[in-house]
Amino acid sequence: DVKVTQSSRYLVKRTGEKVFLECVQDMDHENMFWYRQDPGLGLRLIYFSYDVKMKEKGDIPEGYSVSREKKERFSLILESASTNQTSMYLCASRSRTEQYFGPGTRLTVT
Amino acid sequence: AQTVTQSQPEMSVQEAETVTLSCTYDTSESDYYLFWYKQPPSRQMILVIRQEAYKQQNATENRFSVNFQKAAKSFSLKISDSQLGDAAMYFCARSGNNAGNMLTFGGGTRLMVKP
Repeated sequence: DVKVTQSSRYLVKRTGEKVFLECVQDMDHENMFWYRQDPGLGLRLIYFSYDVKMKEKGDIPEGYSVSREKKERFSLILESASTNQTSMYLCASRSRTEQYFGPGTRLTVT
Repeated sequence: AQTVTQSQPEMSVQEAETVTLSCTYDTSESDYYLFWYKQPPSRQMILVIRQEAYKQQNATENRFSVNFQKAAKSFSLKISDSQLGDAAMYFCARSGNNAGNMLTFGGGTRLMVKP
């Protein structure tokens, strides 16, 4: 079975903190994605990576960065968390025919 | 921006009845893929059904089927014989000419199933 895992289901951070969200997939997929999910807006793409050390900006990259040092792991970084980054974050990994999603991390920034 | 629109934020259906969720999209490509994803409460997003735009035949997966109208850029999901386990957020999504490409999502429809 395909498996995408995320390091935390729930996270509470303070404004200004540096935040790391980790995603791991076990399917040897080259492409991985980070989305943000907000009510009424669906999922919006933050960044994606098509290979180790390669990254591309999505629709809403401002305030975020990513790291892909190993094929199976894709990290999302909030350099200085702000309250408007309170959201659900979903990681996905891509096969030829579809994307597989992790369980999500609900981040609250206070 | 190429968008995906789900006009029904919430829907409800009686158990065992049929419900249709609407989705329209915008694209300038001739070849693309359309998806319906299901996100149960506090659970992982999973793929329900996929449609290749070049195929005229509507996709079907057990109780789930789509009505794909390419000219109208419409892609609705029909759930037959609704079950309590169908209660979830449903997202319509579109990708480019490779099914695994970046997805553009609609805003979602919350489906409630009444016993």
